Formats: sequence, C-alpha cells, structure tokens
Amino acid sequence: AQSVAQPEDQVNVAEGNPLTVKCTYSVSGNPYLFWYVQYPNRGLQFLLKYITGDNLVKGSYGFEAEFNKSQTSFHLKKPSALVSDSALYFCAVRDLGGYQKVTFGTGTKLQVIP
Amino acid sequence: GAGVSQSPSNKVTEKGKDVELRCDPISGHTALYWYRQSLGQGLEFLIYFQGNSAPDKSGLPSDRFSAERTGGSVSTLTIQRTQQEDSAVYLCASSPRGGNTEAFFGQGTRLTVV
Repeated sequence: AQSVAQPEDQVNVAEGNPLTVKCTYSVSGNPYLFWYVQYPNRGLQFLLKYITGDNLVKGSYGFEAEFNKSQTSFHLKKPSALVSDSALYFCAVRDLGGYQKVTFGTGTKLQVIP
Repeated sequence: GAGVSQSPSNKVTEKGKDVELRCDPISGHTALYWYRQSLGQGLEFLIYFQGNSAPDKSGLPSDRFSAERTGGSVSTLTIQRTQQEDSAVYLCASSPRGGNTEAFFGQGTRLTVV
C-alpha cells in the first residue's frame, strides 16, 4: 500500500528566509509526486509535480521540490518566503501501477512571520 | 464544465437526517475521489472510483456513508442518520486515468450537522 508522510504539522519561518516543507513517501513502484496548496477558505490548488527526469521540479509561485529516490523524499522548498505563502500544504503520491490511486499526506501548515 | 463542480456549496442539516452531496467531475476524467476535511485539518480519504473498476471504499468511516458513481461521471456521496461529528468540508476531485496529470479539486461542500 502506498503512503505519504508529512512529519511536521506546522512550519514557522521568517519572511525572506528559505522554507522547506518535508514529505516522504512509500510506493511499490515508481511514483508520481505532487504538491498542493490550500489558502484559507479556498480549495486545493496544484503547485507542482514530479513525473520523471530532472529531480528538481519548479512550480507555481516560486516553489520547487526535489525528488530524492534513495531517501524516498519530495521536500517542498522556496528560497525566500513571503507572508502570502502562509497556507496549508499537502504532498501526494500516485503509484504508476496498480490502481493508480492518489494518496495525500495529512498536510503541513506553513506560517510565514513578517 | 471547466472544472469539478460540487453541490450544494453549503448544507445545514439536523442530526439524524440523511444528506446527499453531489460531484460533477471534469468531462472525460475516469478517476474520482471523495475526501473529508475538518476545519483547518488534513484530508481524510473516503472513497475512490476508477472507471468501471470496483471502488476503493476503504476510507469510509462507517456504514452510514456510501457513494455511487453513475455512468462513470456524476457521483453522489450519501450520509445517513447524520451525526455532529460528520460536520466537515467534503471535497471531490477527479483526474484522468493513466496519466501524469494532477487531480483537480472542487470547492467542496461544507456540511454542518446541528
């Protein structure tokens, strides 16, 4: 069975500092990996995805994520945090084989402090 | 339509009543997911439909919850004899099968059981 872990319920970072939101996954085969963001009182929005190729993926709003197969991780990063980045972030994985169900992590609340 | 549509957007019901929540996925998307999200919390997987395959019902919290998907398109999530702990935002998402495309979310139905 596939799974996703987001070990931090909340991450606090000062505005202008780099941010990292952690995600690790477990699948039986090769994964598709995704990050979504949910701003307060809004629906989930897609940020970026890893399918194949370059391990560093760039997405919306200046976010990027690095796929690390040996560590089964897909951490979300941004070089310089903005107050407007404060939101709930979800990591998700989809197994290429089998049922191809998308499994989401429990989410990490990012708080950017002015 | 252009996106995933959910109705109603808000539903207030009395404890013990049955409710039906509707999801219209993006046309052509064979995969459909239902999730539940309590206020500011993570995503709780409920059920997953993929084409004509048997649905993955492993996330349904009790036998009061059921879902169906007619004609491989519209889905209805039914909660019987609602309880106050059922109060949450119910999110629907759809995605194409077999692709590397992300899931697209609707805006959700906010259910309040009083």
